[in-house]
Amino acid sequence: EDQVTQSPEALRLQEGESSSLNCSYTVSGLRGLFWYRQDPGKGPEFLFTLYSAGEEKEKERLKATLTKKESFLHITAPKPEDSATYLCAVLGLLYGGATNKLIFGTGTLLAVQP
Amino acid sequence: SAVISQKPSRDICQRGTSLTIQCQVDSQVTMMFWYRQQPGQSLTLIATANQGSEATYESGFVIDKFPISRPNLTFSTLTVSNMSPEDSSIYLCSVKQVGYEQYFGPGTRLTVT
Repeated sequence: EDQVTQSPEALRLQEGESSSLNCSYTVSGLRGLFWYRQDPGKGPEFLFTLYSAGEEKEKERLKATLTKKESFLHITAPKPEDSATYLCAVLGLLYGGATNKLIFGTGTLLAVQP
Repeated sequence: SAVISQKPSRDICQRGTSLTIQCQVDSQVTMMFWYRQQPGQSLTLIATANQGSEATYESGFVIDKFPISRPNLTFSTLTVSNMSPEDSSIYLCSVKQVGYEQYFGPGTRLTVT
């Protein structure tokens, strides 16, 4: 069964203190791994798609990387406005065929203090 | 990406009643989905809303409890029927366009008393 585990559950950083969030996954035939940002009271906001091991994507202070077992979301010199819950999801194969069912982790709640 | 809106944004409902949630997209999309996000839990797919045909439900979700309509390529509704406090959750619609990624609406926060 496809599964996504995110760690840590919560992370508190000082402004400017870089760190990484982890997303470990097991999936039958990875078609894509996705990172989302979710602010309180809002829907998830799409950040990145990673398709294969070794791939990296960057956006402002965020960089996502992918291996065969996990993905990292690196946050460089974070600012208070980066505070949010970061969600990881995978899209795999179902019974060897295509599916559009995203499997989500429970997220990492990031708080960046000024 | 498509702009997605949901109505209502939040509601408080009595046990045993039903609530219909609307999802409107500003452009035609091939696929629309409904998710549930219970407190402290991950997002879970309820069903895929198929245009012109019955929705495809995931294991653990049934049409009698969560009837879905999708009359065209920009609109869908999810009804939560005969509600109980366990249905208190955030309900989200999402759309998929060209790639694999899905884009989410703002969500509907439902509280059942």
